[in-house]
Amino acid sequence: AQKVTQAQTEISVVEKEDVTLDCVYETRDTTYYLFWYKQPPSGELVFLIRRNSFDEQNEISGRYSWNFQKSTSSFNFTITASQVVDSAVYFCALSEESGANNLFFGTGTRLTVIP
Amino acid sequence: ETGVTQTPRHLVMGMTNKKSLKCEQHLGHNAMYWYKQSAKKPLELMFVYSLEERVENNSVPSRFSPECPNSSHLFLHLHTLQPEDSALYLCASSRGWLAGETDTQYFGPGTRLTVL
Repeated sequence: AQKVTQAQTEISVVEKEDVTLDCVYETRDTTYYLFWYKQPPSGELVFLIRRNSFDEQNEISGRYSWNFQKSTSSFNFTITASQVVDSAVYFCALSEESGANNLFFGTGTRLTVIP
Repeated sequence: ETGVTQTPRHLVMGMTNKKSLKCEQHLGHNAMYWYKQSAKKPLELMFVYSLEERVENNSVPSRFSPECPNSSHLFLHLHTLQPEDSALYLCASSRGWLAGETDTQYFGPGTRLTVL
């Protein structure tokens, strides 16, 4: 079974719109870590955020914000006032305490911001 | 110097060729990883090295052979590949690799491999 599900394969928004990328995870561990990475056309996976399972506080970093909800096993990512440079594939990933440092990735969401 | 570098960025090879992918990390990390990224599939972990010792080998065919001569360098030697091996190969590094610890993995730009 897929441990990380990103149901949105592709999203298109017009510049300055807000957009939320969904991530649902599945684990039996009580201690786990969630990540978001951005992959621009250049190919490199850029680390955006890491959150552990004991910290449900939402986080904001500039135009980026993350909503972690254990009750629904979700870790959603919102970009406010989107810009063309936000166009990329975004990956959500899970690491379990029982699994050393192995990362389980979702299939990614391709975001296109239209000028 | 960027954190994780990979060379070459693009590689086209025939099925009978032998080539190597190189990864170098400048972050002082002790763990390095090879991932395969194919179209419409999740990233697949191939190999993990911790302190130059291979600690994970996820059922990868023997035509892929990793080498980690030191904690800063990781190679992936390729021979007699198949067209379905065409993919983006990503290298990553992290501070460590141990049960009970999770360190953030930092990725390189990848090598786009095409097997003809």
